[in-house]
Amino acid sequence: AQKVTQAQTEISVVEKEDVTLDCVYETRDTTYYLFWYKQPPSGELVFLIRRNSFDEQNEISGRYSWNFQKSTSSFNFTITASQVVDSAVYFCALSEAPGGSYIPTFGRGTSLIVHP
Amino acid sequence: DTGVSQDPRHKITKRGQNVTFRCDPISEHNRLYWYRQTLGQGPEFLTYFQNEAQLEKSRLLSDRFSAERPKGSFSTLEIQRTEQGDSAMYLCASSHGARGGSGANVLTFGAGSRLTVL
Repeated sequence: AQKVTQAQTEISVVEKEDVTLDCVYETRDTTYYLFWYKQPPSGELVFLIRRNSFDEQNEISGRYSWNFQKSTSSFNFTITASQVVDSAVYFCALSEAPGGSYIPTFGRGTSLIVHP
Repeated sequence: DTGVSQDPRHKITKRGQNVTFRCDPISEHNRLYWYRQTLGQGPEFLTYFQNEAQLEKSRLLSDRFSAERPKGSFSTLEIQRTEQGDSAMYLCASSHGARGGSGANVLTFGAGSRLTVL
């Protein structure tokens, strides 16, 4: 069975600080996808990134970067120079491919509060 | 493309009543998912459709819950004889079904339907 653990329930930072959100996953499949979604106070989940299990290359998109390490089953998310608009709940998710269903399982989320 | 629409956005009902939620996915997406989210938790999978076929249901989906997707377009989620424990945000999402494609498995979520059972 697949499982996603986000151990940090809430993180509070001051604007311009860097912050890393942790995600640890469990799976028996060799083929899987990892995701990060953002849920702002307005409530709608927004897709940020998808990685497949065969691509461990780290990715950077503006102030966002992701570190995927299969050796530690982790897919961590770093926000550089955080801004108040980054305040949201961030979810890590995993989807496996038994039978091709690819249904994402979400972690409990990390609430990020960025103070001005 | 107006995204995923859900209706109603909020529903307050008394215990024992039936409620129905509707979801209109992105038109070119053939997969549709229902999730439930309670306060402080991540979305929990309920069920999903590929076109009009309901391919998987979670154990969370008791026999009081039923979902349909006639003609592979919009979907409805009905809860019969609601209980206070059903109070939650019900999220609908849709995606392409192409395995391995660039959009595969990337869910686009609606704003959700918040249910309060008194």
